[in-house]
Amino acid sequence: DTEVTQTPKHLVMGMTNKKSLKCEQHMGHRAMYWYKQKAKKPPELMFVYSYEKLSINESVPSRFSPECPNSSLLNLHLHALQPEDSALYLCASSPQWAPMNTEAFFGQGTRLTVV
Amino acid sequence: AQSVAQPEDQVNVAEGNPLTVKCTYSVSGNPYLFWYVQYPNRGLQFLLKYITGDNLVKGSYGFEAEFNKSQTSFHLKKPSALVSDSALYFCAVRARAGKSTFGDGTTLTVKP
Repeated sequence: DTEVTQTPKHLVMGMTNKKSLKCEQHMGHRAMYWYKQKAKKPPELMFVYSYEKLSINESVPSRFSPECPNSSLLNLHLHALQPEDSALYLCASSPQWAPMNTEAFFGQGTRLTVV
Repeated sequence: AQSVAQPEDQVNVAEGNPLTVKCTYSVSGNPYLFWYVQYPNRGLQFLLKYITGDNLVKGSYGFEAEFNKSQTSFHLKKPSALVSDSALYFCAVRARAGKSTFGDGTTLTVKP
């Protein structure tokens, strides 16, 4: 299994809602990532988990809350989002956070619309 | 600091012609360079990477890239383009602190 699976594929939520994005991989990777991508722009790193511990938080607003329950799962909890948070949210994994010569495997993303 | 530049927002080629998507980088130390492709409403797919060794790297779907240290470039190439190659292409560099820095992307359109 060489896939990163993200659910749901599409999500529409109101600004007062609470929702979660889920990501799963069974490649034995120990680094997992959340990215935010606006249309035709490069992905922007949000969070990095290494061995289930949060290693990097790129100054992401607290309305985004990551969670790594185990080595195969990564969640992104959403609360009180703003319309400008509408984007494609990508999960990725790689064998390890370091060394730096490993490529990332990306999921297909969750298309989030905040209304 | 590390940075990546993709000087062309858009590249148009005819099917069957060779294609080049340009990428230049700036890092201190040895770079690890990657190319990813993104089809509409999909995640990024890894194409190829340069770590060390041979300057010509071969990757998926017939793509290759040439690492040029003196010009700090890592251009993506394919000898004969297909309509199905039409997509958004990102160059990325990974050096300091393990973070990947992506270029702004180049939209490749291959016309029949």
